[in-house]
Amino acid sequence: EIVLTQSPGTLSLSPGERATLSCRASQSVYNNYVAWYQQRPGQAPRTVVYGASTRVTGIPDRFSGSGSGTDFTLTISRLEPEDFAVYYCQQYGSLPPFTFGQGTKLEIK
Amino acid sequence: EVQLVESGGGLVQPGGSLRLSCAASGFTFSRYWMHWVRQAPGKGLEWVSRVNSDGSRTDYADSVRGRFTISRDNAKNTLFLQMNSLRAEDTAMFYCAKSYGGELIDWGQGTLVTVSS
Repeated sequence: EIVLTQSPGTLSLSPGERATLSCRASQSVYNNYVAWYQQRPGQAPRTVVYGASTRVTGIPDRFSGSGSGTDFTLTISRLEPEDFAVYYCQQYGSLPPFTFGQGTKLEIK
Repeated sequence: EVQLVESGGGLVQPGGSLRLSCAASGFTFSRYWMHWVRQAPGKGLEWVSRVNSDGSRTDYADSVRGRFTISRDNAKNTLFLQMNSLRAEDTAMFYCAKSYGGELIDWGQGTLVTVSS
C-alpha cells in the first residue's frame, strides 16, 4: 500500500499570497495518477486536479498541479478567501486501496 | 449537471446492518466506475470501495472487505453499499463519487452513518 505524506499540516497565509502544498508518496506512483481534493468546512470534497496536473472543469486557473514519481505539488498562485480549506492528495496508480494523504489545512493568517 | 444524492444513513447498533444508496443523474451512469469514500468525524478521507461500469468488478479497503458489498443498478442509475457487522469505527460520513477509474471526479453530499448502542 502506498502511503502519502502531506506537508505542511497547516499553512497560514494571507489572501493574494501563493500557496504551495506538498504530497510525497512512499513509492513511485504509476503514471503520476495523483489527484487533489478541496474540502471546505461542512461540505463534501471537491476535485481540483487529477492525473497530477489536469484541472477539473470549472476550477480556476490559479490552481495548478505538478510533480512526478513520488513528489507532487498543488500550487495556488493568488489565494482568494474561498480557497481556505483542507486539501487532500490521493493516489490511484496502484491496485486498490486508493490511499489519501492526511490533509493540509490552509488557513487565513 | 451531475448530481449524486446519497441516502440510507442513520443510527445503527454495533453488529447491525445498513444499506446506503446513491442516486445518480446528469450523466450516463452506466459508463462510469463508482466509488464510496468515508470520513470519520474530524478525520481525513478514507477510500472504501469501487465498482466498475457494469458491476462485474469490485474492490474494497481491507478495513471493510468481507463486511461491505458494493453494487449498482444501471437501469435505475443507483449505486449501493450494503454494510454488515457494523462497528463503532465505521461511524462516518459516506460519500459516493463518480470516476473514470481511480480518480474521483464528482462527489455527492454524503450520508451519515452512526454505529452506537
